[in-house]
Amino acid sequence: GESVGLHLPTLSVQEGDNSIINCAYSNSASDYFIWYKQESGKGPQFIIDIRSNMDKRQGQRVTVLLNKTVKHLSLQIAATQPGDSAVYFCAENGASSNTGKLIFGQGTTLQVKP
Amino acid sequence: DAGVIQSPRHEVTEMGQEVTLRCKPISGHNSLFWYRQTMMRGLELLIYFNNNVPIDDSGMPEDRFSAKMPNASFSTLKIQPSEPRDSAVYFCASRRGNQPQHFGDGTRLSIL
Repeated sequence: GESVGLHLPTLSVQEGDNSIINCAYSNSASDYFIWYKQESGKGPQFIIDIRSNMDKRQGQRVTVLLNKTVKHLSLQIAATQPGDSAVYFCAENGASSNTGKLIFGQGTTLQVKP
Repeated sequence: DAGVIQSPRHEVTEMGQEVTLRCKPISGHNSLFWYRQTMMRGLELLIYFNNNVPIDDSGMPEDRFSAKMPNASFSTLKIQPSEPRDSAVYFCASRRGNQPQHFGDGTRLSIL
């Protein structure tokens, strides 16, 4: 069945360091992947997305890497700041590439130490 | 710009009561999604609409749950009768075309 999983439930980093959050997916038919950030008491906030015809995409301080061979996705945050502390979710579209349906992973908590 | 607006933000009610959650999507967005988030099951899609038409309700837990979208700017998720196991945070999200989904800040529902 479809599943999106995260390797580590909690990641603790020092302020100023780079963070890498990993995600594994199981459906090889997925062609769209997305990362969300969720702060306490708020809804998931879009960070960055990537389609399967790319293996890397950069945003402001964030980079998403996609390795289709091993079905792995990662989110890199440069110069991590206290405001980056949140739960990060990856999601894939599974076999529903044109419907907008997303399958979410369980989330990784990022803790930034001052 | 106004984001997705959900109401109420918090709801506490006794089991057996009817609960109605409301969502106003971002103007111009043509797809709307209802999710439920719990610690045990994470974020689950319940139902989604495209151009106000329900497309996939396979995630709706049971017949006690229903959702409507009477127009492009309003949707409701109703639970009748409510049960304690329905306690969760319910999110609404919307998107335009193939753009990313944007989420509201959710309704925290507690059924006593």
